[in-house]
Amino acid sequence: ETGVTQTPRHLVMGMTNKKSLKCEQHLGHNAMYWYKQSAKKPLELMFVYNFKEQTENNSVPSRFSPECPNSSHLFLHLHTLQPEDSALYLCASSQGWDRRGGSPLHFGNGTRLTVT
Amino acid sequence: EDQVTQSPEALRLQEGESSSLNCSYTVSGLRGLFWYRQDPGKGPEFLFTLYSAGEEKEKERLKATLTKKESFLHITAPKPEDSATYLCAVQDRKDKLSFGAGTTVTVRA
Repeated sequence: ETGVTQTPRHLVMGMTNKKSLKCEQHLGHNAMYWYKQSAKKPLELMFVYNFKEQTENNSVPSRFSPECPNSSHLFLHLHTLQPEDSALYLCASSQGWDRRGGSPLHFGNGTRLTVT
Repeated sequence: EDQVTQSPEALRLQEGESSSLNCSYTVSGLRGLFWYRQDPGKGPEFLFTLYSAGEEKEKERLKATLTKKESFLHITAPKPEDSATYLCAVQDRKDKLSFGAGTTVTVRA
């Protein structure tokens, strides 16, 4: 199994649909993240979980709802999305922080979301 | 607020033509600077971490350097397989990570 696996790879949904994105990491990491990537813009942090506890919610609209049932799995539940939410959604994991600084993020290949 | 600016936005190189990418940053207490490579349709792949000014890291044709204001990613004698978008990110003293918008490198054979 590769390090961080995201499903589905592509998702097209209408504005009234409800769907979920799934992420699984096989690296034994303590922290998991959701990022949004839009064309020609920096990665935007959405949510952070450390040891299954949400430690950061970066002013994300409530139509995005994260869930972290254990340290290996992360979900992003979507409902009533807007066309401007179309983007690549990336999941990442990391070991956490050491005395020198943060350990690097390991990313999945993302879910390409299109909202129609 | 931390800021990360990458330049140029796009870079087209001939195979074997060495060049450098720039990552300028302002950050409240740098704890680490990260370089990633992202191929189309894939997530970013970690390349290097630099912790303090003067530090250098190398991997194959890539070399990353760090000063107090910027980092450079030098690509020596690039090959077509080095074509990708290169992302820079800085981590501040509150452990917040901020990414730049990336530099897209195209290497022609």
